[in-house]
Amino acid sequence: DTAVSQTPKYLVTQMGNDKSIKCEQNLGHDTMYWYKQDSKKFLKIMFSYNNKELIINETVPNRFSPKSPDKAHLNLHINSLELGDSAVYFCASSQDRDSYEQYFGPGTRLTVT
Amino acid sequence: GQSLEQPSEVTAVEGAIVQINCTYQTSGFYGLSWYQQHDGGAPTFLSYNALDGLEETGRFSSFLSRSDSYGYLLLQELQMKDSASYFCAVRLNTGGFKTIFGAGTRLFVKA
Repeated sequence: DTAVSQTPKYLVTQMGNDKSIKCEQNLGHDTMYWYKQDSKKFLKIMFSYNNKELIINETVPNRFSPKSPDKAHLNLHINSLELGDSAVYFCASSQDRDSYEQYFGPGTRLTVT
Repeated sequence: GQSLEQPSEVTAVEGAIVQINCTYQTSGFYGLSWYQQHDGGAPTFLSYNALDGLEETGRFSSFLSRSDSYGYLLLQELQMKDSASYFCAVRLNTGGFKTIFGAGTRLFVKA
């Protein structure tokens, strides 16, 4: 059974489009995260939710909007995609907001052309 | 601001021991984690140090010195499958227990 899953695994789209990435965890964790990993493998936190409540909101363009319908799901919607949005987006979860161990999903490779 | 420094690349031979260093400058330091990431894969958790000293987990050990803002990951009996990127990550007790990742160290293990 996959602990943290993301769909789609690959996403190729044109500039200006709107797209969504979905994430689900079946670990029973309370806290979920979105990270962006750029071409130089730099991994940066974007958002975090704890029990559906937004607790971390980094300096991210407001074209990026996370949504957590329940504590097992965290989706990321991106409006008006730009070339610089091309990256691998990882979803992760942890037992709770105090837990140091994070479990990462397989990633979604987004390519904007 | 927050910053973490780790070497960009390290090369070692199979069976050897390698140490990957990490220095950090942060406010609200809570602990230091290490993650491994193979090409095309997801980061996976290796270890965590909140207190000074050495933590050992099989072939991997991690060390922290809070007074020196320094830690390292020690990999023993290197195997080819250890070729991967290794990230140190600082856990902060501000901003909702945020985790800040270093740029990663690419480890190449040669036969």
